[in-house]
Amino acid sequence: DTAVSQTPKYLVTQMGNDKSIKCEQNLGHDTMYWYKQDSKKFLKIMFSYNNKELIINETVPNRFSPKSPDKAHLNLHINSLELGDSAVYFCASTPLEGTEAFFGQGTRLTVV
Amino acid sequence: SQKIEQNSEALNIQEGKTATLTCNYTNYSPAYLQWYRQDPGRGPVFLLLIRENEKEKRKERLKVTFDTTLKQSLFHITASQPADSATYLCALDGGGNQGGKLIFGQGTELSVKP
Repeated sequence: DTAVSQTPKYLVTQMGNDKSIKCEQNLGHDTMYWYKQDSKKFLKIMFSYNNKELIINETVPNRFSPKSPDKAHLNLHINSLELGDSAVYFCASTPLEGTEAFFGQGTRLTVV
Repeated sequence: SQKIEQNSEALNIQEGKTATLTCNYTNYSPAYLQWYRQDPGRGPVFLLLIRENEKEKRKERLKVTFDTTLKQSLFHITASQPADSATYLCALDGGGNQGGKLIFGQGTELSVKP
């Protein structure tokens, strides 16, 4: 069984569109995250949620809005997509802070 | 702000040798440090975590050291195999009240030749 699953795996869309990426974890973890990996492979935190509550927002433009309907799901909605949003987005979860993170397989977003 | 650097972007070694990867950090004293493996097109996979009060940790052919004076961690793979070829990422904890966020280095791409 997949521990952290993201959909879709690939997403190609035009500038200005709105899109969503879904994430689900079946590990029973309380904390979930969104990370962005750019073309230089740098992996950078975007958001952290603990039991449906936003903990971290790392100065991400407000075009990005995470939504956590329950502690097993953390979705990412992006409005008015820009070329610079092209990257791989990873969802992750941890049982507690300070422990290993479990990552999804990533969503490669390409904005044309 | 915290800064984390991995010694090289790419490392090529011969099968059977020991691979040593370096992670240096500045402007920070992390409570723990983690190492992950990332294969192309996949998410990072956790390998080892070492806390600030631990000098060394081992798991099978992997060994991690943590020198808080030098602000450095070394990651060793002994008896390396072509299957060990991947990108290895080190990550620091983001600090207290930071929701468990990790700060990642840029990664070192390891290539093990038969």
